[in-house]
Amino acid sequence: DAGVTQSPTHLIKTRGQHVTLRCSPISGHKSVSWYQQVLGQGPQFIFQYYEKEERGRGNFPDRFSARQFPNYSSELNVNALLLGDSALYLCASSFRLGLTEAFFGQGTRLTVV
Amino acid sequence: KQEVTQIPAALSVPEGENLVLNCSFTDSAIYNLQWFRQDPGKGLTSLLLIQSSQREQTSGRLNASLDKSSGRSTLYIAASQPGDSATYLCALERLRDDKIIFGKGTRLHILP
Repeated sequence: DAGVTQSPTHLIKTRGQHVTLRCSPISGHKSVSWYQQVLGQGPQFIFQYYEKEERGRGNFPDRFSARQFPNYSSELNVNALLLGDSALYLCASSFRLGLTEAFFGQGTRLTVV
Repeated sequence: KQEVTQIPAALSVPEGENLVLNCSFTDSAIYNLQWFRQDPGKGLTSLLLIQSSQREQTSGRLNASLDKSSGRSTLYIAASQPGDSATYLCALERLRDDKIIFGKGTRLHILP
């Protein structure tokens, strides 16, 4: 049984560009959440979706957006990339809202140059 | 303002020692607190989840406790092994706004 899969695993972008990160949850999981982890820091909560609706948002600018599709997969979009957006982006899926019984993907390493 | 604090930031101990990692938080109104393990450049693996109504959870050599009144949780690792080397993160779900807050983690190195 596949775990949470994220694509791509690594990505290099130039300042000002746009990026789309993808996450496929574990089969049967209806909730997907996104986190940004800058090197040496703990993950910072960005978004949580449940049943295709946004159910939580962290303190991130409007350049960050996300959506969840009918098959419960999710995309995180970041516009007008800044050097400070360089980080490991983690996706987690779960049956319910929150971190209870949440499983994390391996992350997408985004480097902005 | 750091809402979840983990001490120490880094720790190196010889193999076989018992050790304690600390997590403190400022808001005691939480749904639960969870401990994760993260290997370098990888995702997170859940170790132990303590619901708000519980005081501790155990899994193998790991024991986690929760004291909401003092805003503290500890992760106890018994008989440490080199394979325990990783970063250990605590995270809580806050009642007032359902937000999930992580600490910065403790980088643990077990010396063979």
